Amino acid sequence: GAVVSQHPSRVICKSGTSVKIECRSLDFQATTMFWYRQFPKKSLMLMATSNEGSKATYEQGVEKDKFLINHASLTLSTLTVTSAHPEDSSFYICSASTVDGYTFGSGTRLTVV
Amino acid sequence: GESVGLHLPTLSVQEGDNSIINCAYSNSASDYFIWYKQESGKGPQFIIDIRSNMDKRQGQRVTVLLNKTVKHLSLQIAATQPGDSAVYFCAERRGGSYIPTFGRGTSLIVHP
Repeated sequence: GAVVSQHPSRVICKSGTSVKIECRSLDFQATTMFWYRQFPKKSLMLMATSNEGSKATYEQGVEKDKFLINHASLTLSTLTVTSAHPEDSSFYICSASTVDGYTFGSGTRLTVV
Repeated sequence: GESVGLHLPTLSVQEGDNSIINCAYSNSASDYFIWYKQESGKGPQFIIDIRSNMDKRQGQRVTVLLNKTVKHLSLQIAATQPGDSAVYFCAERRGGSYIPTFGRGTSLIVHP
C-alpha cells in the first residue's frame, strides 16, 4: 500500500530557531498533502492543505508565516516551524491523499526549549 | 458548528471481549467515513472505511456500521487483544470535499 515517510520522528530545538519537517510519499505521487497538529490526548487539528506546485491553504487561526509549507514536488512536502517557541511544542503529522483514502506519516514530536 | 464527535473518551475491556467504539456525526452531507487507530507516539493507521451508500462493512476482526438515520458510526472489534490498545478516531469526509475531519478520539484499553 501507499507509504508516507516523515522525518525526523523527534526533534528538540532552542527557542527562536527554525525546524523543518519532511514528508515523502515513497511509492506514489502525492498531489495533495495535509499537515496536522496534535496535542496530548486530543484529536488531529488540520493546519493546512499542501498542493504540489501551488501555495498551501491554511486553516483559520494558523499563521502562514510561522508554519511555512512547501510542496515543490509530487513526492515531498515540508513544514518549517519558524522562530519556534515552547508553545509550538507538539506532535505534527502529515498525510497524503491516495486512491484508497488517506495515508499518514509516523509523526514528528517537536520540543522547543 | 457541524462536527464529528465521540461518545466515550475511554473504553476498558478484557482480552477476548468484543469492543464497540461509537462516533456521532452531524453533517448529513458526509459521504465517506474512516476509522483510524493511533498508537502512542505514532501516526494514525487506516483500519476500515465505509461509504454512505452502505450500512455495514467487515474487515478482519473489525466491522463498521453506519446508521445514516441517526448519523451514527460504530467500530466493532471482535476478540479484542492487548495489541488493540490505542486511540481510535473516526473521520468524515463531506460530499464535495477531499479533506477529512477527525473526531475527538476514544482510548481503548485492553486488560489481559
